[in-house]
Amino acid sequence: QQQVKQSPQSLIVQKGGISIINCAYENTAFDYFPWYQQFPGKGPALLIAIRPDVSEKKEGRFTISFNKSAKQFSLHIMDSQPGDSATYFCAATLKAAGNKLTFGGGTRVLVKP
Amino acid sequence: GAGVSQTPSNKVTEKGKYVELRCDPISGHTALYWYRQSLGQGPEFLIYFQGTGAADDSGLPNDRFFAVRPEGSVSTLKIQRTERGDSAVYLCASSLMSTGGGTEAFFGQGTRLTVV
Repeated sequence: QQQVKQSPQSLIVQKGGISIINCAYENTAFDYFPWYQQFPGKGPALLIAIRPDVSEKKEGRFTISFNKSAKQFSLHIMDSQPGDSATYFCAATLKAAGNKLTFGGGTRVLVKP
Repeated sequence: GAGVSQTPSNKVTEKGKYVELRCDPISGHTALYWYRQSLGQGPEFLIYFQGTGAADDSGLPNDRFFAVRPEGSVSTLKIQRTERGDSAVYLCASSLMSTGGGTEAFFGQGTRLTVV
């Protein structure tokens, strides 16, 4: 059962453009929604996270938009840079379940110079 | 070290052999998680420890997989009678606590296991 669905699977954007990745979840009990960035050969690293009582969170060029009623959330990368080329994973956790991460399938982002 | 350390980085083993993968978490982190990441997919939860005990092992695929954390720090993931389908990157993560909501999990670089 795939509890977190992520799209698109891959994305190509020009330098300076906006990258948008979407995720949908099923379990309404999830209480924390992080985004992870992963470079080849490395483990995932936390990029930005949001709680369901907040509709938007911005950190630098990265913004999460959260729609609780639709059970969807998205990551926007503004002014995309070649160094942003990586795989991005959305995830969801549940405090009552020990905060184990349920990941989406990932989006491979390529930023062309 | 400052981060989560996993050894070995790469492991090639023959089908049917036994392997051990080691994770050294960030000092002071009480929660430790193991995930498995197949090529082109997101990591999938295997097991998590709060202190020395396995609080949730619901993600272990079968009884060939076992993990321990005897002193509440270093953890070892053990796989018996390895199969080609076990080939994946095994990721370890640690966090300060598990009972609080939304604590950041820090990942190691993973162990790439290849079963031939």
